[in-house]
Amino acid sequence: AQSVTQLGSHVSVSEGALVLLRCNYSSSVPPYLFWYVQYPNQGLQLLLKYTSAATLVKGINDFEAEFKKSETSFHLTKPSAHMSDAAEYFCAVSFMKYGASQGNLIFGKGTKLSVKP
Amino acid sequence: KAGVTQTPRYLIKTRGQQVTLSCSPISGHRSVSWYQQTPGQGLQFLFEYFSETQRNKGNFPGRFSGRQFSNSRSEMNVSTLELGDSALYLCASSFQGGGGTEAFFGQGTRLTVV
Repeated sequence: AQSVTQLGSHVSVSEGALVLLRCNYSSSVPPYLFWYVQYPNQGLQLLLKYTSAATLVKGINDFEAEFKKSETSFHLTKPSAHMSDAAEYFCAVSFMKYGASQGNLIFGKGTKLSVKP
Repeated sequence: KAGVTQTPRYLIKTRGQQVTLSCSPISGHRSVSWYQQTPGQGLQFLFEYFSETQRNKGNFPGRFSGRQFSNSRSEMNVSTLELGDSALYLCASSFQGGGGTEAFFGQGTRLTVV
């Protein structure tokens, strides 16, 4: 069965430090992978997505993620954290099944990012 | 371009009642999906509608149902509410759905069952 695992429910970094949020997936078919961000009392906003083109994907607000098939990983990084990056981040996967897209997103449990001044 | 609009934003209901939530997708989007978000279970897929037809369904009891109208607006209904149905319900729209398609989320409806 397809699943997503996010390592670390809480991550704390200092402003200006590297942000690394980890995501591993399990899928028997080629996946599509996404990172979403959620601010308090808000919906989800797409940061970036992998759809089998370049393995290094750049998104909004200087976030990027690298698809590593051998490690079944899609970790999210940002070189320098800002206070405004404090939010909850979700990794998600969708996939093709029997040649037809399933469409629905399977989400990880989320990682809350805190940024210290 | 207006985003995904969900109404109401907040709702308080009593156990045993039923509730209807509404979602207006981005203009031109034909796929609407619904998700339930709780602290314990996280984000879980409920169902997806495309051109007024349910195309995909998650693992929820039959008390959870939905529909989509010809203008792509969607409603979801929960009957015989239970305390465990308290959650943030999120609607997402996309042009045609599908695995690699970007889904745009609304701000959600916060349902509290007392």
